[in-house]
Amino acid sequence: TQLLEQSPQFLSIQEGENLTVYCNSSSVFSSLQWYRQEPGEGPVLLVTVVTGGEVKKLKRLTFQFGDARKDSSLHITAAQPGDTGLYLCAGIPSLTTDSWGKLQFGAGTQVVVTP
Amino acid sequence: DADVTQTPRNRITKTGKRIMLECSQTKGHDRMYWYRQDPGLGLRLIYYSFDVKDINKGEISDGYSVSRQAQAKFSLSLESAIPNQTALYFCATSARDRVRNEQFFGPGTRLTVL
Repeated sequence: TQLLEQSPQFLSIQEGENLTVYCNSSSVFSSLQWYRQEPGEGPVLLVTVVTGGEVKKLKRLTFQFGDARKDSSLHITAAQPGDTGLYLCAGIPSLTTDSWGKLQFGAGTQVVVTP
Repeated sequence: DADVTQTPRNRITKTGKRIMLECSQTKGHDRMYWYRQDPGLGLRLIYYSFDVKDINKGEISDGYSVSRQAQAKFSLSLESAIPNQTALYFCATSARDRVRNEQFFGPGTRLTVL
């Protein structure tokens, strides 16, 4: 079972519409990251959130970290075809005993934005 | 030039063959990782390395081995490839940051084992 559950698994929308992707867990995380992956490429880091309740904006993308640091959301306003990709959330569980912490990845949400 | 490079980009091999995937980085990071990606499963950690003298198993290390030849080079070997090792393989690097551990990925290797 995945420590981080992403929903939905697949999202297809028209250009100009808004969308939200969710990343949920029953565990607390020290930080949470969002990556975007395009076909034939590796994931690219979009943002890292560290503080509970934190909101970060990256142009038309808004990222929020839950108050309890167990969940996060990614909201895209007025989606464009260039937003198409696999969106992955990843985090470091707070209870890890490793000296530096390993990332746990969600399974991803495939977003398709059609013109 | 890309900060993290992987070779080969695509490889088709047969069951039982030994395969090596190579990763090089110019980011100057100490930490390097190997992941595999399968549809619906996200990225799973195979091995990771603090530095040249430190190698650690990840969650799915069985059937794999690694070598950290230098700070900038980290290779993954499949000693005797089997069909369920067919997947996308990614190398990644990160700086020393326990809280963030932001990772930078290579372009991946698509491996098919027949």
